[in-house]
Amino acid sequence: DVKVTQSSRYLVKRTGEKVFLECVQDMDHENMFWYRQDPGLGLRLIYFSYDVKMKEKGDIPEGYSVSREKKERFSLILESASTNQTSMYLCASRRTGYTDTQYFGPGTRLTVL
Amino acid sequence: EDQVTQSPEALRLQEGESSSLNCSYTVSGLRGLFWYRQDPGKGPEFLFTLYSAGEEKEKERLKATLTKKESFLHITAPKPEDSATYLCAVQAAGTASKLTFGTGTRLQVTL
Repeated sequence: DVKVTQSSRYLVKRTGEKVFLECVQDMDHENMFWYRQDPGLGLRLIYFSYDVKMKEKGDIPEGYSVSREKKERFSLILESASTNQTSMYLCASRRTGYTDTQYFGPGTRLTVL
Repeated sequence: EDQVTQSPEALRLQEGESSSLNCSYTVSGLRGLFWYRQDPGKGPEFLFTLYSAGEEKEKERLKATLTKKESFLHITAPKPEDSATYLCAVQAAGTASKLTFGTGTRLQVTL
């Protein structure tokens, strides 16, 4: 079974703080993704990574950065948190190959005050 | 631009009352269509991948079908534990790993 874990289920931060969200997968997947999910907007891709030290911008990268130093770990960084970054953040991983299925973690509900 | 539209937004069924959820898509060359189930406050759980028109997949009370313009998720004799939001996503050919998601159908099954 694929397992994707995220460092926190709930997080409360203040405006201007630097925030780190971590994601770990245990299936040796090459690809990893960060999404945010908001009511009425669905899941939107923030960043993804094909492999270690590689990253690509998704649809809404502004205000975010990422880091992938090890294959199993993909971090999302909010450089200076703002209230409009209050959201559910979801990490996913996927093995490169024909099946293309992304497997998701449990999510982190971030509130920025 | 790839687009995914799911309908209805919300659906309330009685236990045992079969129905279908719709996912209409516009994509420049479909590589795969994915169905996920999401419970409140949790991450999406993978259900099915469909690759070509005419393909069908089943799992317990769920059956997913695919045409060139839409996919249906058929729920036969649903139970209260089938209550969840069902998400549809597409991957276009040549877009590497990127998925485009619909906003989901929120299903409630009552006794």
